[in-house]
Amino acid sequence: DTGVSQDPRHKITKRGQNVTFRCDPISEHNRLYWYRQTLGQGPEFLTYFQNEAQLEKSRLLSDRFSAERPKGSFSTLEIQRTEQGDSAMYLCASSLGGPDGYTFGSGTRLTVV
Amino acid sequence: GEDVEQSLFLSVREGDSSVINCTYTDSSSTYLYWYKQEPGAGLQLLTYIFSNMDMKQDQRLTVLLNKKDKHLSLRIADTQTGDSAIYFCAEIPNAGNNRKLIWGLGTSLAVNP
Repeated sequence: DTGVSQDPRHKITKRGQNVTFRCDPISEHNRLYWYRQTLGQGPEFLTYFQNEAQLEKSRLLSDRFSAERPKGSFSTLEIQRTEQGDSAMYLCASSLGGPDGYTFGSGTRLTVV
Repeated sequence: GEDVEQSLFLSVREGDSSVINCTYTDSSSTYLYWYKQEPGAGLQLLTYIFSNMDMKQDQRLTVLLNKKDKHLSLRIADTQTGDSAIYFCAEIPNAGNNRKLIWGLGTSLAVNP
């Protein structure tokens, strides 16, 4: 297991299109997080899964955003009817819930044109 | 409320020590973290400190925590050009079991030869 994988690395889409990102966490990690980072900002929390249960969603996650982790392993983040303001780096992280923080993936950079 | 603040820029000469400062507002924070982000790369955990500790040293890195003043610092000894990156301070507030991270905006460290 080489860490947290995210796919794709880059996505350019036209406004109004739907996009889906995938995250494969470290296999033994039961916690999975999605964050969003825009230029010059720190990451902002979007949502959190423990196993397959989505336990918290940020109010940043509008109705156009949905995330799933169907079998408690990989997760998907879908954005419907994309807007230019959705352009950002979408980061996935996983952890065991211990003190040594998360392991982050390299992120998916979304550009909405 | 939850807020983490950092100075935005720091410039040092190669071989000097760098000190990056951070203040946080949640006095019940359990763990405090330093992450490093290089251009185009994901977030790399550098070190963390538990809230009942004053200091933690790990090779060239020294973390100091002043819980009374809610002040955290990261000292990098013998700073190298490879240390040029953005450094994020982050906390896990004690509220809730989700262990989501609250982030500062990041300090951009420039190391000049």
